[in-house]
Amino acid sequence: EAGVTQFPSHSVIEKGQTVTLRCDPISGHDNLYWYRRVMGKEIKFLLHFVKESKQDESGMPNNRFLAERTGGTYSTLKVQPAELEDSGVYFCASSLTGNIQYFGAGTRLSVL
Amino acid sequence: DQQVKQNSPSLSVQEGRISILNCDYTNSMFDYFLWYKKYPAEGPTFLISISSIKDKNEDGRFTVFLNKSAKHLSLHIVPSQPGDSAVYFCAATGGGSQGNLIFGKGTKLSVKP
Repeated sequence: EAGVTQFPSHSVIEKGQTVTLRCDPISGHDNLYWYRRVMGKEIKFLLHFVKESKQDESGMPNNRFLAERTGGTYSTLKVQPAELEDSGVYFCASSLTGNIQYFGAGTRLSVL
Repeated sequence: DQQVKQNSPSLSVQEGRISILNCDYTNSMFDYFLWYKKYPAEGPTFLISISSIKDKNEDGRFTVFLNKSAKHLSLHIVPSQPGDSAVYFCAATGGGSQGNLIFGKGTKLSVKP
C-alpha cells in the first residue's frame, strides 16, 4: 500500500512568486492534514480536511496560503505571493480515524 | 506558549542500553499521545501511542509511560540499537484540537556502537 506522497520534494523560488505543493494521501483516508516546520521550531498544524471540506484551518498563517482538496482525494497548498518567512518544510499527513496520522516525506520550500 | 515540551534537545546512549526520552505537556484536556521518529529528509514515522485512560503501552522494544498527574510521558527503548538514532517527536491531541497534533520540538537520539 502506498504511503502519503508529496510533490515536489524541494522547491526554490524567489520572493513574490507562487508555489503549489501537492499531497496524495493514503487511499481511503478521509482525513488530510497540512503541517509546517520552520527551521529550529516545532512542527505546527496548518489545516485539516475531512474529505473535501475544511474541518479546521485555524493554523493557516495568513490569506497568502490557500489549500484545496477537490473531490476529496489529493490536496494542494498554494502560497501566493511567497515571502521569506514561508521557508520551511511542509508536511502532509492522512488518517483513517484521526488519532494516528501518517506523514509524507515533506516538501522543503526555500524562498530567496 | 508551547503546550508540548521536550526539554532535552539531544541524548546519547550506548548500544544495548536503555534510552529514555521525556515529554511534558500543559493542557490537561489532551487525551491521546503519540511518539514519532524522524530520519533526515524523511517525514515523521509513527512509533507508538497511548490513550489517557492508560498509563503504559508496550510494543516490542518500545514502551510509553504516561503520568497524568504530572502531565509527563516518556518513551523507553530497550535495548537501544544504532538504527534507533533519529529525532523523536512527542505529540498530543484532544482537548479541542479537533484531531490536529501538537508537537514538541524533538529530541535527537544518538545510539553509539
